[in-house]
Amino acid sequence: NAGVTQTPKFHILKTGQSMTLQCAQDMNHGYLSWYRQDPGMGLRRIHYSVAAGITDKGEVPDGYNVSRSNTEDFPLRLESAAPSQTSVYFCASTISQRVDGYTFGSGTRLTVV
Amino acid sequence: KNEVEQSPQNLTAQEGEFITINCSYSVGISALHWLQQHPGGGIVSLFMLSSGKKKHGRLIATINIQEKHSSLHITASHPRDSAVYICAVGGTSGTYKYIFGTGTRLKVLA
Repeated sequence: NAGVTQTPKFHILKTGQSMTLQCAQDMNHGYLSWYRQDPGMGLRRIHYSVAAGITDKGEVPDGYNVSRSNTEDFPLRLESAAPSQTSVYFCASTISQRVDGYTFGSGTRLTVV
Repeated sequence: KNEVEQSPQNLTAQEGEFITINCSYSVGISALHWLQQHPGGGIVSLFMLSSGKKKHGRLIATINIQEKHSSLHITASHPRDSAVYICAVGGTSGTYKYIFGTGTRLKVLA
């Protein structure tokens, strides 16, 4: 099925451990982004990429790294997880700048203990 | 104060009722979007507005640029409309930056 695939769906991580959240899209979209969703707050952008080889910081990038080696994949890495990174993470892709062109992944619920 | 405010935060309605969800914003925008987040977590786009009104099935979205306010209406509500509805503003060219509201959680009872 065409779309954005996120893995894993759920994960529990210990403080200080590292982890990579995977995002893959098969729609040949250029723009990919990572958001986090926390209770009482709107979605906030962590990092984004407009094309392979190009990444940039979003509004809440601290503690996260990304890479974009090809069009399809956009992994999000937590090098040393902290409890403040407990959240639901969404990957979104679009071929245009308009949000209604976005396709969201189903989300990854991450708990850092 | 958040740049995007939604009201109400929670809403419970009986099946068949007319529902209104509001979004007010304090920043200049090029577009406003309404999104729906299903109980399973998936997010889909409902509307993109830059002026006036749009209708899709039982959903109607309006925007007043001067008053910096948008409303999402659901006519003849149904339990399958139960979801979180999110307002997002932005679209400044070149940045892909959007500011998301915190969402309105709607529950429609049969």
